[in-house]
Amino acid sequence: EAGVTQFPSHSVIEKGQTVTLRCDPISGHDNLYWYRRVMGKEIKFLLHFVKESKQDESGMPNNRFLAERTGGTYSTLKVQPAELEDSGVYFCASSPLARGRRTDTQYFGPGTRLTVL
Amino acid sequence: QQQVKQSPQSLIVQKGGISIINCAYENTAFDYFPWYQQFPGKGPALLIAIRPDVSEKKEGRFTISFNKSAKQFSLHIMDSQPGDSATYFCAAGGYSTLTFGKGTMLLVSP
Repeated sequence: EAGVTQFPSHSVIEKGQTVTLRCDPISGHDNLYWYRRVMGKEIKFLLHFVKESKQDESGMPNNRFLAERTGGTYSTLKVQPAELEDSGVYFCASSPLARGRRTDTQYFGPGTRLTVL
Repeated sequence: QQQVKQSPQSLIVQKGGISIINCAYENTAFDYFPWYQQFPGKGPALLIAIRPDVSEKKEGRFTISFNKSAKQFSLHIMDSQPGDSATYFCAAGGYSTLTFGKGTMLLVSP
C-alpha cells in the first residue's frame, strides 16, 4: 500500500512569489491534515479536512495560506505571496475515519521543505 | 503557549544503554499520546502510542510510561542501538489534531 506522498520535496522561491504544495493521502483515508515545522520548533497543526470539507483550520497562520481538497482526494496548500517566515517543512498526514475514538493514528508524508529567500 | 513540553532537546546514549525522553502536557482533554520517530529526509512515523486508561505500554524495546495525575509521559528505549539514532517527537491528541513537542535528537554511539 502506498503511503502519503508529497510534491515537491523541496521548493526554493523568492519573497512575494507563489508556491503550491500537493499532498496525496493514503487511499481511502478521509482525514487529511497539514502541519508545518519551522526549524528547531515543534510540528504545528495547520488544518484538517474530512473528505472535501475543512473541519478545523484554526492553525492557518493568515489569509496568505489557502488549502483545498478536490473531491476529497488529494490536497493542495498554496502560499501567496510567500514571506520569509513561511520557510519550513510542510507535512501532510492522513488517517481513516475513527470509529468511536476521537483520535487515531496519523500517517505522515515525507514533507516539503520550503525555503523563501 | 507550548502545550506539550519535551525534554531533553538532544541525547547521546551508548549502544546497549537506555534512552529516556520525557514529555509533559497541560490540556486534560488530550486522550491519545503517540510517539513518532523521524529519520533525516523522511516524515515522522508512528512508533508507539498510549491512551490514558493504561499506565504503561510496551512494544519490543520501546515502552511508554504514562502518569495521568502528573500529566506526564515518557518513552524508554531499552538496549538502544545505533539504528535508533533519529529525532523523536511526543504528541498529544485531542479532537482529531495532534499537538507536538519540539523533538529530541537521539544519537546512539557504537
